Amino acid sequence: GEDVEQSLFLSVREGDSSVINCTYTDSSSTYLYWYKQEPGAGLQLLTYIFSNMDMKQDQRLTVLLNKKDKHLSLRIADTQTGDSAIYFCAETSNTGKLIFGQGTTLQVKP
Amino acid sequence: KAGVTQTPRYLIKTRGQQVTLSCSPISGHRSVSWYQQTPGQGLQFLFEYFSETQRNKGNFPGRFSGRQFSNSRSEMNVSTLELGDSALYLCASSLDWGQRRSYGYTFGSGTRLTVV
Repeated sequence: GEDVEQSLFLSVREGDSSVINCTYTDSSSTYLYWYKQEPGAGLQLLTYIFSNMDMKQDQRLTVLLNKKDKHLSLRIADTQTGDSAIYFCAETSNTGKLIFGQGTTLQVKP
Repeated sequence: KAGVTQTPRYLIKTRGQQVTLSCSPISGHRSVSWYQQTPGQGLQFLFEYFSETQRNKGNFPGRFSGRQFSNSRSEMNVSTLELGDSALYLCASSLDWGQRRSYGYTFGSGTRLTVV
C-alpha cells in the first residue's frame, strides 16, 4: 500500500543545518516532493526529485534519496527563523495523486 | 502571474447544509486536484480533474463531488455537511496531465470550512 512516514518535530538553532527525514512504501513512486506550509497558508513546493536520482541540490536545500531503503531526506543549510514551518514529504506514482506524510514541524530558535 | 486562487477563504456552515468551494488554477494549467487537510487525518486526496473529466478519485463518500469547467476552473461541493467535514480544503493545479508530476503541483491558500 501507499504510506509516507515523517518524524513530527525538529528543533534547531539559527545557522545550523536541519535534516528532515521521510520514508515511503510505494516502490512504484516516481516523483518525491517536499512542500512547506506556513501558518494559515497553503502548501509551497520547495523541491522534488525523480526516483532515478540520488541527490538534488537547490541553493540551501539538498534532497537525498535512498531508493533501496525508500528513504528521503531534506537538508536545509544555514537554517533561518523564516524557515520555521511544517514540512511535508509526498510521493506520487502513476496515478498522479500525492500521498503526504504527517508533516514535520521545524522550530528554529534564534 | 497569478497563483492558484481559492474562494472563499473562510466559511462557516451548519450541519446538514451544503457548500460549494471554488478554485481558479494558474493561467494555462489544465489539471486541478483537491485535498482535504485535518489535524487528525492530515492531507488526503479528494479528486483530480483534467479537461473537464474526473481522472482520479480518493476514498471519500459520495457527498463530496466536484467538476471542472472549460476554462479549467473547478468547484467542489459537499452536501449534507457533518461536523467532521471541518477542514482546510486545498486546491492544486498543474500544467499538463502527462507531465504534471514533473512540473509539480502548485497549491492555493485553501478554504477553511467550519461546520457547526
